[in-house]
Amino acid sequence: QQQVKQSPQSLIVQKGGISIINCAYENTAFDYFPWYQQFPGKGPALLIAIRPDVSEKKEGRFTISFNKSAKQFSLHIMDSQPGDSATYFCAASMKTSYDKVIFGPGTSLSVIP
Amino acid sequence: DADVTQTPRNRITKTGKRIMLECSQTKGHDRMYWYRQDPGLGLRLIYYSFDVKDINKGEISDGYSVSRQAQAKFSLSLESAIPNQTALYFCATSDLGAGASDTQYFGPGTRLTVL
Repeated sequence: QQQVKQSPQSLIVQKGGISIINCAYENTAFDYFPWYQQFPGKGPALLIAIRPDVSEKKEGRFTISFNKSAKQFSLHIMDSQPGDSATYFCAASMKTSYDKVIFGPGTSLSVIP
Repeated sequence: DADVTQTPRNRITKTGKRIMLECSQTKGHDRMYWYRQDPGLGLRLIYYSFDVKDINKGEISDGYSVSRQAQAKFSLSLESAIPNQTALYFCATSDLGAGASDTQYFGPGTRLTVL
């Protein structure tokens, strides 16, 4: 049983377009939602994160939208670039056990020229 | 130099062999983790350690063991490797200290193939 669901599994976007990756969770005790970016041959690295007290967080071209009532959150990449091509993982953790980060299955993003 | 290093980066072994994957970190973090990555399954936690004296099982610890030799070193062992342990393995660290973020810092990974 996957505690954090993620879609799509893969995504192809043209350069300059918007990439959207969606995630959903069941456990309402989760209160920290990070996104990790992984380039081929590298380990994942934190990209951006949000807590449920805000509905949106923006850092440059990357925005997290959070819908607490629907238990869903999404990553939007504006003006997608070939350098954004990577695997993206959404994740969730809770205050009582921040050490246990639950990762989604990942989305492979390809941005084509 | 990388903050979190893993050795070896690639390993091919045979069924039944014992193998150890090593992780070292220079970040000074207390917490260390071992994850396994499989296509379509994301990252799954194998073991984690809060400090040298504290080891905890994760989601998929069966068939694995760990050793925290020092604050900076955390190794993962497969006592008798089997083909379904073929995967990409990542070590990660995080900071337990006051004012710490919730960020996990990952090493570059070890690609393990069990024939």
